[in-house]
Amino acid sequence: DTGVSQDPRHKITKRGQNVTFRCDPISEHNRLYWYRQTLGQGPEFLTYFQNEAQLEKSRLLSDRFSAERPKGSFSTLEIQHTEQGDSAMYLCASSFKAGGSGEQFFGPGTRLTVL
Amino acid sequence: EDQVTQSPEALRLQEGESSSLNCSYTVSGLRGLFWYRQDPGKGPEFLFTLYSAGEEKEKERLKATLTKKESFLHITAPKPEDSATYLCAVQAGYKLSFGAGTTVTVRA
Repeated sequence: DTGVSQDPRHKITKRGQNVTFRCDPISEHNRLYWYRQTLGQGPEFLTYFQNEAQLEKSRLLSDRFSAERPKGSFSTLEIQHTEQGDSAMYLCASSFKAGGSGEQFFGPGTRLTVL
Repeated sequence: EDQVTQSPEALRLQEGESSSLNCSYTVSGLRGLFWYRQDPGKGPEFLFTLYSAGEEKEKERLKATLTKKESFLHITAPKPEDSATYLCAVQAGYKLSFGAGTTVTVRA
């Protein structure tokens, strides 16, 4: 399967702990996105990378959140000092732009539960 | 700020009963309007991209259309396997701005 993969699929943690999620995009895609989705809502944009450069961050991305994409390949999203409000599905997507707007293809998501 | 509103929130259909989902939007500089399908506990699955008013795209029992202010997703003669949440999103810049979705349930 050559789609977007995310690890882990589920994460349960206690309030105050740090968590890290990984995303592996489709191999030829140079753009990578992180979104967050809560129950009954559509995904909300968090941040965007073109190759290794983080080009846009949402104001939803507080100082406790940090994302990286070393060498323009996989990406990690870290949440420090987790809060119960961080409980959500974290989705990664990738796209390849060559002129027009590239469709974003999503991974299966990481479901985070903060107790 | 980009806004996307989907209606209805939920739609219950009998197998074979055709219907339409609505997505109304306000955005500065629309680069594309996207439809996705999402099954419970999974990531959104790409369906269509529409770029300009008057454009239409079809895939099996689904047909998407676009005007300057809204898009419709028509489901013709649905089957139970079409049950899912259908998400609409607009792109201005790099990010997608999503609506809350329409959850479609098709009964046999």
